[in-house]
Amino acid sequence: ETGVTQTPRHLVMGMTNKKSLKCEQHLGHNAMYWYKQSAKKPLELMFVYSLEERVENNSVPSRFSPECPNSSHLFLHLHTLQPEDSALYLCASSQEGTRQYEQYFGPGTRLTVT
Amino acid sequence: QQQVKQSPQSLIVQKGGISIINCAYENTAFDYFPWYQQFPGKGPALLIAIRPDVSEKKEGRFTISFNKSAKQFSLHIMDSQPGDSATYFCAARKTGANNLFFGTGTRLTVIP
Repeated sequence: ETGVTQTPRHLVMGMTNKKSLKCEQHLGHNAMYWYKQSAKKPLELMFVYSLEERVENNSVPSRFSPECPNSSHLFLHLHTLQPEDSALYLCASSQEGTRQYEQYFGPGTRLTVT
Repeated sequence: QQQVKQSPQSLIVQKGGISIINCAYENTAFDYFPWYQQFPGKGPALLIAIRPDVSEKKEGRFTISFNKSAKQFSLHIMDSQPGDSATYFCAARKTGANNLFFGTGTRLTVIP
């Protein structure tokens, strides 16, 4: 595996379900991000982890819960979602330091909430 | 409030033509401006980036033009090819911050 991988690629869940999205980066980076991508909207930053510590949470509803057990793995735990949460969820990673701006994205998980 | 405004929303260009996508921002604390390219079913991929201390950066057929006084920057794709058909996002980063602020994207279609 190379780059940033995400599983599953597609997920359909009911509003009462609990599911988790997984992200793994194989780039040796130490910062990881969750973004939400909705049609005709800018990518929305949800969470940032730097050196496994959460450094930013852009007022995301508590039904989204991130977990970063180590610098290579990032999870997004989902529960009691709403239909408006249907979107493409992208994971990204970068290396802290002068080139931190170079974020590398995974292919995303297409989430549909029914 | 949208931090980075991008236009047009969609663009159709003939093969061999020049594709131009524009972005504007207000926050003078932005110090880095990347462009990302996204194909269907893929995540965005960094294409080219510029800092505000230069007015132009070129990599192959892709050029960023930067106008600091106008707070605008644009992506030019020369000799556009059907393989360039994708969605392009501009973005900006504040000094010292982790996150990027993205534009809404431009869907480019290059017709043969």
